[in-house]
Order: sequence, then C-alpha cells, then structure tokens
Amino acid sequence: EVQLLESGGGLVQPGGSLRLSCAASGFTFSSYALSWIRQAPGKGLEWVSAISGSGDNTDYADSVKGRFTISRDNSKNTLYLQMNSLRAEDTAVYYCAKDLRQVGATSLSLFDYWGQGTLVTISS
Amino acid sequence: SYVLTQPPSVSVAPGKTARITCGGNNIGSKSVHWYQQKPGQAPVLVIYYDSDRPSGIPERFSGSNSGNTATLTISRVEAGDEADYYCQVWDSSSDHQVFGTGTKVTVL
Repeated sequence: EVQLLESGGGLVQPGGSLRLSCAASGFTFSSYALSWIRQAPGKGLEWVSAISGSGDNTDYADSVKGRFTISRDNSKNTLYLQMNSLRAEDTAVYYCAKDLRQVGATSLSLFDYWGQGTLVTISS
Repeated sequence: SYVLTQPPSVSVAPGKTARITCGGNNIGSKSVHWYQQKPGQAPVLVIYYDSDRPSGIPERFSGSNSGNTATLTISRVEAGDEADYYCQVWDSSSDHQVFGTGTKVTVL
C-alpha cells in the first residue's frame, strides 16, 4: 500500500525557514517523480515544486523560485522541501504527491497518491 | 502562464447529472486530469488522460476534452459526491503543472 506522510509544518515568523519532509513507502521510490502542492486556507490547489526520480531535475513555481529547494534521499525514501524567506502568503497545507507514471521525469506529471498534508503558518 | 477556469459552484439534485467545465486555451491539445477533494481530506484522482478512470472510481465519473473546454461528468449523483473538483494539466511553455480554480459541487 502506497503511503506518503508529511511532517515538519508549524508556525514560523515572516522571513524564517522551515523544512518539510515526506516519508514514502509501498512503491519503488526512486522510480517516480514527486511534487509538493499547497493549498492556502479556503483556496485552491497550487503546484509548488517537482523533482525527478533520480533527483537530477527539479522545477519550481515562480512564486517560490529562489526561496524553496526540493530534494530527495532515495536511500531513505524521503522527500524534502526547504523553505526560506517565508512570507505570509506561503501559509498553506503542503501536500507531497506521487506521479502516477513510472518514468521518473517531472514533465506531464499527474498525481495518484497524496499525503495527508502538513500545515505551515507564517505569522508574527 | 496557462490559466484553467472553472465555475465556482455547481448544484445538482440526487440522481441527476453534474457537468463541471474546465476552460483553457486549446485545452483539447493537452491531457486533463481531475481530482476530487472532500473537506479536510487530500485530493483524489478521479479521471486522468481526459477520460480514464483509476481503479476504484465509479463508472458514474467520466471525462471529455475538446477545443477550449474539458468536462467532468458525474452521472446519477449521490450525496457522497459533494466535494471540490479540480482540473489539472501540464503547461509545456513553462514546464509546470497547473490546477484549475476549483468547483464546489453541492448535492441538493
């Protein structure tokens, strides 16, 4: 059974940093691209970042580029999102999501499994 | 960037058909995926590649895509179908995934 379990969320002051983790199980971790997708309170879904199965290729939404870094440790089956220079508008539930396709690339992704999400709140 | 526009809300009586549209420039040339999200839960993939259904998704859910509009159709609507629905495509120009604005389906 595929499982994705996010952790690391919390309350941070503007300008601060936070690192999210997503522990995965139930599939061949290194064979799949993964993404972070967020949802601000009462709002829609926003794709944030993606990483290829090997970790060699990454991509970011314009809203977070230069502030967030996605990475993965295939030996630990864990996905990460390092978030720096956080702003109030980064407040959201952050989901990690697995690509349905076993191709490893980030392009053309679609998401067949999602974690339960972790809440990040940016406030002073 | 590529924009996907959905109606904010759709209301439907039990047993009737709900149609949720997703508008985008020449969206018919892209693959469209649909997600269902119930309150407090993570999204669930209900339609992928325009009209394919993942295992476990009822046949009542179907999809189509042509021209500038993709459509998710829910036949014989049940109370349990009440949720937010999002369309999603990959934008080749930016190499980014894009989600629609979302549609809240209310079962009367």
